[in-house]
Amino acid sequence: KAGVTQTPRYLIKTRGQQVTLSCSPISGHRSVSWYQQTPGQGLQFLFEYFSETQRNKGNFPGRFSGRQFSNSRSEMNVSTLELGDSALYLCASSLSGGGYEQYFGPGTRLTVT
Amino acid sequence: AQSVTQLDSQVPVFEEAPVELRCNYSSSVSVYLFWYVQYPNQGLQLLLKYLSGSTLVKGINGFEAEFNKSQTSFHLRKPSVHISDTAEYFCAVSLSDSNYQLIWGAGTKLIIKP
Repeated sequence: KAGVTQTPRYLIKTRGQQVTLSCSPISGHRSVSWYQQTPGQGLQFLFEYFSETQRNKGNFPGRFSGRQFSNSRSEMNVSTLELGDSALYLCASSLSGGGYEQYFGPGTRLTVT
Repeated sequence: AQSVTQLDSQVPVFEEAPVELRCNYSSSVSVYLFWYVQYPNQGLQLLLKYLSGSTLVKGINGFEAEFNKSQTSFHLRKPSVHISDTAEYFCAVSLSDSNYQLIWGAGTKLIIKP
């Protein structure tokens, strides 16, 4: 089975721009979660989607949004980028969340200049 | 509020020595518990999990963890570490009263000294 894939792997953007990151979960997995990882703040939960609906949400501003498609693929969007948005963005999929383990992709490294 | 505390941000240990990485959580509801490992420049990988049953859980790469309900702890152990165990280790808790959302610890960097 193919693992979780994330595109692109690396991205450089300018302050004020917007960015869209993509995540393809493992086949059959219906839950996709997004995380932001930075050296200072560690691993921070952004949101979780299950069957195209946002099921859980972390404590991030409205500039961070996401969606999930009928094939379980997910995208996250960050509008009006700030320098502090520079981070590794990780996507994780699981069968249905909860007690099922999450399988992580390699991440997208976003640098905002 | 529920939280997960990894008491050590870094743990240096000599190769072939035993190691324990500590994880405590605060919750009064039933939980599922996980340990993940992140090798440099990679995503996270599941090491082991506790859902129910035996409180001693064995995982990959020779790691094990013990669930202690009275002390609300889930410490990770390995009897003899390798240089290849150099990584960051994350403890996570899934809570039955919050849609099973995972709550993450801050991570512990395991540094293996030759």
